[in-house]
Amino acid sequence: EVQLVESGGGLVQPGGSLRLSCAASGFPFSNYEVTWVRQAPGKGLEWVSYISDTTTSIYYADSVKGRFTISRDNTKNSLYLQMNSLRVEDSAVYYCARISRIADDAFDIWGQGTMVIVSS
Amino acid sequence: QSVLTQPPSVSGAPGQRVTISCTGSSTNIGAPHDVHWYQQLPGTAPKLLIYGNVYRPSGVPGRFSASKSGTSASLAITGLQAEDEANYYCQSYDSTLSGWVFGGGTKVTVL
Repeated sequence: EVQLVESGGGLVQPGGSLRLSCAASGFPFSNYEVTWVRQAPGKGLEWVSYISDTTTSIYYADSVKGRFTISRDNTKNSLYLQMNSLRVEDSAVYYCARISRIADDAFDIWGQGTMVIVSS
Repeated sequence: QSVLTQPPSVSGAPGQRVTISCTGSSTNIGAPHDVHWYQQLPGTAPKLLIYGNVYRPSGVPGRFSASKSGTSASLAITGLQAEDEANYYCQSYDSTLSGWVFGGGTKVTVL
C-alpha cells in the first residue's frame, strides 16, 4: 500500500524547535519529489516547503523561510522538517505529500498529518 | 487572505448540481499553471480529486468535473450526494511566489 506516515508533532513553547518526520512506503521514494503542507485549526491549506527527489532543489514559503529546513534520507525512505524559532502562528496539522510524476505536479498521496501546537 | 479565491460555502439538495469557483491571477492560474482540486472530508487528510485542470484520478466518481479558463477554474459536482459534504480546495503554482498556492476552501453542504 502506498503510504506516508508523519510523526514528531507535539506541544512546544514559542521560540522552541521541533523535528517532524514522514515515513514513506509502498513506492520508490527516491524517485519522487515531496512536500510539506500545513493546516491551522479551522483554516485552509498552506504550502510550506518542497524538496526534489535528489535534494538539488528546495523551496520554502515566505512564512517559514529562514526558520524551517526540509531534508530527506532516501536510504531510509524518509522526509523531515526541522522547525526552529517556532511561533504561535505555526500551530497546525502538518501533512507530508507526494508530488505526482504523472498528474501534473499535483499532490497525489497525503499522510494523515501530525499536530504541532506552539503555546506557552 | 488566500492567493486563490473560492466562495466560503455552497449548498445543494441531493441530486442537484453545485459549482465552486476558483479565481487567481496571471502569475498562477493564468500563467498558465495547472489547477488541481482536493476534497477534505471532516477530520481527514486532503485527497486529490482533480488534476491537470480536468482529469480525475482513478476511483474518483464521474459526478466530479472541472474546467479552467483564463485566470479562473471551477469544480462541478453533478448529482450531489450526502457523502460529498466536505471542504474543497483548489491549488495552483505561483511563478512570483515560487511555490504552490491554495484557495481558502469551500464547504459543501448537502441540504
